[in-house]
Amino acid sequence: NAGVTQTPKFQVLKTGQSMTLQCAQDMNHEYMSWYRQDPGMGLRLIHYSVGAGITDQGEVPNGYNVSRSTTEDFPLRLLSAAPSQTSVYFCASSFRQLGTGELFFGEGSRLTVL
Amino acid sequence: KQEVTQIPAALSVPEGENLVLNCSFTDSAIYNLQWFRQDPGKGLTSLLLIQSSQREQTSGRLNASLDKSSGRSTLYIAASQPGDSATYLCAVIYMRGAQKLVFGQGTRLTINP
Repeated sequence: NAGVTQTPKFQVLKTGQSMTLQCAQDMNHEYMSWYRQDPGMGLRLIHYSVGAGITDQGEVPNGYNVSRSTTEDFPLRLLSAAPSQTSVYFCASSFRQLGTGELFFGEGSRLTVL
Repeated sequence: KQEVTQIPAALSVPEGENLVLNCSFTDSAIYNLQWFRQDPGKGLTSLLLIQSSQREQTSGRLNASLDKSSGRSTLYIAASQPGDSATYLCAVIYMRGAQKLVFGQGTRLTINP
């Protein structure tokens, strides 16, 4: 099992560019989520999904889009990158609905927006 | 507001000591509490998960306790080793509100040889 895999690990963008952060899990987890981690702010939830075809907003959703067409994949799209989106992004998954089991994290994607 | 607080922000102890990390939360209506470890530049590794009906969980040299009535959890590390140096994060899933973990800011632990 690879667990939760995120790509790319590092990315530099210019303001206004768009990109997609990829997240895949091979554990047949229903719940998937995206967090961002910033110094002094801790980890904050961006978007989450409780199953294929179902997504919802978290705490800081503005500027990000998600979709969940398969159980395995949960990509995060930055529509028009801004310097405020410079951060480390983590994808996390759980077997069932959050609260019933452990949350497993990927290694993170470090994004810099110039 | 649903918050999680970890004190101290940083802790440095000599190798071999037993130590306790603290986590407090503002609402006792929780599904579970999870302790994570994060090494510099890395992702989060789950250490222990305590369901709301449980009082403690143990894994090797780690023991986590949960007291919902007082809104507190502790992570006890026995016989600390330099390899235990990392940031330890506590996270809570509250019953009220969105499906998310609420994280504390973490305690940066340094074990000195």
